[in-house]
Amino acid sequence: DAGVIQSPRHEVTEMGQEVTLRCKPISGHDYLFWYRQTMMRGLELLIYFNNNVPIDDSGMPEDRFSAKMPNASFSTLKIQPSEPRDSAVYFCASSPVTGTSGGNEQFFGPGTRLTVL
Amino acid sequence: AQSVTQLDSQVPVFEEAPVELRCNYSSSVSVYLFWYVQYPNQGLQLLLKYLSGSTLVESINGFEAEFNKSQTSFHLRKPSVHISDTAEYFCAVSDFGNEKLTFGTGTRLTIIP
Repeated sequence: DAGVIQSPRHEVTEMGQEVTLRCKPISGHDYLFWYRQTMMRGLELLIYFNNNVPIDDSGMPEDRFSAKMPNASFSTLKIQPSEPRDSAVYFCASSPVTGTSGGNEQFFGPGTRLTVL
Repeated sequence: AQSVTQLDSQVPVFEEAPVELRCNYSSSVSVYLFWYVQYPNQGLQLLLKYLSGSTLVESINGFEAEFNKSQTSFHLRKPSVHISDTAEYFCAVSDFGNEKLTFGTGTRLTIIP
């Protein structure tokens, strides 16, 4: 398996523009997570899905952020309009469901480095 | 609510010396504990985890961590580090039955030749 795939790897945009980040989870994984990593705030969970359904979006910063998972093999994180403070590395991760409820390994993608000018 | 504290943001260590990266957590319920490693310009990878059973867990590359419930700690140790261990290490916790992870702020391990 190719692992979790994220695109683009780097994105530079101007304030006010719409940004869409994409993620393809590992085939067969039931959970998908979106994280944001910054020097100031560390690694923050934004939202996660189970079987394409959003379970917890309490980490989404504000209404400018939205995430969708239209099918088991694709998810997007959209920022509209973008602001300089959104500059960060955004990670997507997926995990399978095993016999343990909770405690499953999350497999991370390489991340998208977003710079908003 | 859960929280994870990694007191050391940076730890420099000479090659072949031992190292301990500290992690303390707080939670009102039973938890699972994890250490993830992030190499430069990469995503995080699972290093080891504690779910139940023996409180000492090991990774394939010589790291170990011990779950101490009374001290609410899950410190990571390695008896002899190598240059290739240079990375950022994150401690994380999840509640039983919950896939959501709460991460610490990370510890950057730098190996000095």
